[in-house]
Parts: sequence; structure tokens; C-alpha cells
Amino acid sequence: DQQVKQNSPSLSVQEGRISILNCDYTNSMFDYFLWYKKYPAEGPTFLISISSIKDKNEDGRFTVFLNKSAKHLSLHIVPSQPGDSAVYFCAASVYGLTGGGNKLTFGTGTQLKVEL
Amino acid sequence: GAVVSQHPSWVICKSGTSVKIECRSLDFQATTMFWYRQFPKQSLMLMATSNEGSKATYEQGVEKDKFLINHASLTLSTLTVTSAHPEDSSFYICSAPLTVNSPLHFGNGTRLTVT
Repeated sequence: DQQVKQNSPSLSVQEGRISILNCDYTNSMFDYFLWYKKYPAEGPTFLISISSIKDKNEDGRFTVFLNKSAKHLSLHIVPSQPGDSAVYFCAASVYGLTGGGNKLTFGTGTQLKVEL
Repeated sequence: GAVVSQHPSWVICKSGTSVKIECRSLDFQATTMFWYRQFPKQSLMLMATSNEGSKATYEQGVEKDKFLINHASLTLSTLTVTSAHPEDSSFYICSAPLTVNSPLHFGNGTRLTVT
């Protein structure tokens, strides 16, 4: 049972344009969401997170939007750069459970390719 | 720079042998570390939570006798894949939070291939 889903395995965007990566979840207990970026042969790197008490969080070029009623979140990257090309994982947790948002459930990832 | 160091980055072993993977927190103490596994084209799946000074907590379906976890110090957790078989071939990644409620930092992973 995949509780966190990323339905687009890949996304191709032109440099300078907006990249929008989507993520859906089914477990209504999730209240903390994160995005990680992963290059080949490396571990995931934390990008940005959002708590369920918010619907938007912004950090530089990265913005995460949360729609709790739809159980949907998205990551916007503006402007997209070639160095953003990587696999992006959405993750979710129950923040108040067992020491914070550490026990993460991951999506399957979306391969973003930013083309020149 | 990296805050979690994992070693080795890749290993090839014969079926039936055991392999040990080390995960170290750099410049911080990690009372809890998390071990994940990723099969090709799949998501990272949590295998177990490693607790310093106590037994690890395993996720459903993960054999604790096959995947031995030791967290003997505040900066080191080890995962030993015992009697490895080809189906254990996977990408194993450890992680730890800098503080109790901070996002996880991941090591670079270990690619295990069992022949």
C-alpha cells in the first residue's frame, strides 16, 4: 500500500521555466511533509518541508504548497536551472509520533530534467 | 559538507556471506538512526530504527535476524546483512536527524550486490 504517491516518474522543463512536481498521500495522519533531492549514487538531500498548519512554505527558488483537503502537495522550482536535474522525493510523517518527523514514508520519486 | 558518512559505498559479495555497513554521524550525536532500502525504480523503504544503547525497532516484514543492527555509540550504527542472498541486492541508506525534530540527513548509501 503506497501511502505517498508521485504519479509522474519523469518531468522535463526548459531552463528558466517553472518546474512543478506533484505528490499525493492517502494517510490522513500525516502532518509533516518534506521534499528531498537525490543525485545518482548519493543519498537524498533535504530541500524544504511544510507542516500541516501551513499551506505554503517558501525558500528561495523552492516553494511547497499543501492542500490538505485534497491530500496533495507540490514543489515549485522557479526559475529552473540545469543543476536542478535530479530525482525528487516527496516524504511524509506523523510529526507528533515517536520523536518528531523522523519516521518518513517516501514516494517513488520524479526524475526532473532541466534542459538548456 | 556531509553530516552523515556511510561506508562502504558499494560492495559485491558471494551468496551466503555477511556484509557490514557502517553509518557515522559527523560532528553531532545521533541517538537514533534510520536504515532505509531502495530497490530499483522504487521508493526508499524504512527497514529499521536504530537506537543507541538499546535494541533496534524493525518495520513489518523486515527480518531482524537477517539484518542485524548495532548502535553501540552516539556516532555509529552498523547494519549487517547476514547470509546474504541475491534478493538482498539493493541500495541501503542510513540517516539521522541533527536534532530530535529536524529533517533527516542521509548518508550516500551502499550499493550491495550479492552474486
